[in-house]
Amino acid sequence: DVKVTQSSRYLVKRTGEKVFLECVQDMDHENMFWYRQDPGLGLRLIYFSYDVKMKEKGDIPEGYSVSREKKERFSLILESASTNQTSMYLCASTQLIAGEKDTQYFGPGTRLTVL
Amino acid sequence: AQKITQTQPGMFVQEKEAVTLDCTYDTSDQSYGLFWYKQPSSGEMIFLIYQGSYDEQNATEGRYSLNFQKARKSANLVISASQLGDSAMYFCAMREVNTGGFKTIFGAGTRLFVKA
Repeated sequence: DVKVTQSSRYLVKRTGEKVFLECVQDMDHENMFWYRQDPGLGLRLIYFSYDVKMKEKGDIPEGYSVSREKKERFSLILESASTNQTSMYLCASTQLIAGEKDTQYFGPGTRLTVL
Repeated sequence: AQKITQTQPGMFVQEKEAVTLDCTYDTSDQSYGLFWYKQPSSGEMIFLIYQGSYDEQNATEGRYSLNFQKARKSANLVISASQLGDSAMYFCAMREVNTGGFKTIFGAGTRLFVKA
């Protein structure tokens, strides 16, 4: 079974803190994604990575950065956390083949609260 | 414009009955994939079913089936014989093969409550 793990299920931080959310997958997938999930908005893509050290902005990258130094690990960084970044963060991975179905495997999510 | 629309924020169904969760989509791509995911209260997104735009038959996976009507751009999820464990959020999603790149677009979700 594919396993995607996230470093924390719940996290509480203060405004202005630097926050690291870690995601690890064990299936040697090429592609990894970070989403945030908010009620009524579904999942919105923040960043994705299609290879080590490669990254692409998603739909809402402002206020976030990412790092992918190893294939299995994809980190989301909030440089200076703000209250509007309080949300559920979901990491996903997939071995995408162009034209094939892209079944994403998700981690359990990190519920981040910024005070 | 929203690319994935789920018009039912919440739905109730009696245990053992069938339920249909609505999803409409908007794309100009000729090749795309449609997905349904389930998110229980634990938070993890679970893949349920996939339908390709060129698939002629509706997809089925156990108690889940996808009612795909291409001309109407709808991809409704049908759950037969609902169980209490089906209570969860359900997300419809789409990947556009030619124009979407690596992106999968998700709808806002429908929360399903199964009553005993």
